[in-house]
Amino acid sequence: QSVLTQPPSMSGTPGQRVTIICSGSRSNIGSNTVNWYQQRPGTAPRLLIYSYNQRPSGVPDRFSGSRSGTSASLAISGLQSEDEAEYYCAAWDASVNAVIFGGGTKVTAL
Amino acid sequence: QVQLQESGPGLVKPSETLSLTCTVSGASINSHYWSWIRQPPGKRLEWIGYVHYTGSTMYSPSLKGRVSISIDASRDKFSLTLDSVTAADAAVYFCARDRDRDLFGEFGLWGQGTLVRVSS
Repeated sequence: QSVLTQPPSMSGTPGQRVTIICSGSRSNIGSNTVNWYQQRPGTAPRLLIYSYNQRPSGVPDRFSGSRSGTSASLAISGLQSEDEAEYYCAAWDASVNAVIFGGGTKVTAL
Repeated sequence: QVQLQESGPGLVKPSETLSLTCTVSGASINSHYWSWIRQPPGKRLEWIGYVHYTGSTMYSPSLKGRVSISIDASRDKFSLTLDSVTAADAAVYFCARDRDRDLFGEFGLWGQGTLVRVSS
């Protein structure tokens, strides 16, 4: 199945650890790298994590990524108010020959 | 500093052709993969396709047959055309460049996006 599934929303208090799970299948996460994007309202997405767990320069090290089987996760350790945004996972899907995105998870700092 | 800027009509009539251009500044377009990605209001991102600096292209199967992406290296621009648009094609359209010049799929640089409405 060519779908990446994320929880629609998550929240945490400042300083808390928040983990977003992206569930896929063998044709996408199970066989290809996963990337994560952060999108604040009214702005373009920003590459946050690439190749499962690599951070582009400028991305704080409180963001980390991992993969297990056909799921990937993005962790924010020490949630800050500036981390309030929508987060999307993405991966190449070999069954449809396209990059597919998850539905997005809106993270709120309480 | 490399920047991408989308341009084109913000309103397209149903059944007509949507045409957008992405202008690259601060770097040459003669490397990397260059993609178009769209986001309907309140919905997830959707990859449309890419053009490589060599001119090769790949499109999402969901839009194949209606979409074309081309590159004009002499002007550091690449363009999107989408035929026979319907209301479902209304979205913010982003142009993007991959992070690594030799790898596709890690969209490290994005334009600000341009909203396209479809209405008669």
